[in-house]
Amino acid sequence: GESVGLHLPTLSVQEGDNSIINCAYSNSASDYFIWYKQESGKGPQFIIDIRSNMDKRQGQRVTVLLNKTVKHLSLQIAATQPGDSAVYFCAGSQGNLIFGKGTKLSVKP
Amino acid sequence: DAGITQSPRYKITETGRQVTLMCHQTWSHSYMFWYRQDLGHGLRLIYYSAAADITDKGEVPDGYVVSRSKTENFPLTLESATRSQTSVYFCASCGPAVSEAFFGQGTRLTVV
Repeated sequence: GESVGLHLPTLSVQEGDNSIINCAYSNSASDYFIWYKQESGKGPQFIIDIRSNMDKRQGQRVTVLLNKTVKHLSLQIAATQPGDSAVYFCAGSQGNLIFGKGTKLSVKP
Repeated sequence: DAGITQSPRYKITETGRQVTLMCHQTWSHSYMFWYRQDLGHGLRLIYYSAAADITDKGEVPDGYVVSRSKTENFPLTLESATRSQTSVYFCASCGPAVSEAFFGQGTRLTVV
């Protein structure tokens, strides 16, 4: 079946540094790969997506990279801020929307 | 108000009881989803719906029933609640691209 998972459960970075959160997936048939952010006590919030036929997509302070050869997805956050502290989930969609288990990002001041 | 709302926010029920969690969205999104979130398991898809009267099983559908008679509503029913169904439940909706989903605030369900 389809599965989307993350390499590391926690990540701690210094404020101002860049963060890289990784994700591995097994279902190459996904149409989109998506990153969500979840703050404590709230529902997940969309950050950025990438179509399966793309390699890279940039947003405001965020970049998503897709390596289909090794089935790997990453989220890069530039100049990480305390407000970026949250749990980050990758997800794949193929009509449905399947999430990985999440990485908790902590930003040290 | 525009958006996606879940009700109730908190619910305590007894084992064996039937309980229904409500989800309502005002965007006329075609897709709607139900997830449960437990520590160590992230978000697991229970059921989803691509349109009114169309529903499909997700990763963990056992013990749950859904219906979608109207585009804007997607109720989730636990026919006979068990303690293992204690969880936080999230509803979400999105357009046909199934990428940018909008989530409700969640329902914390405790089965005692």
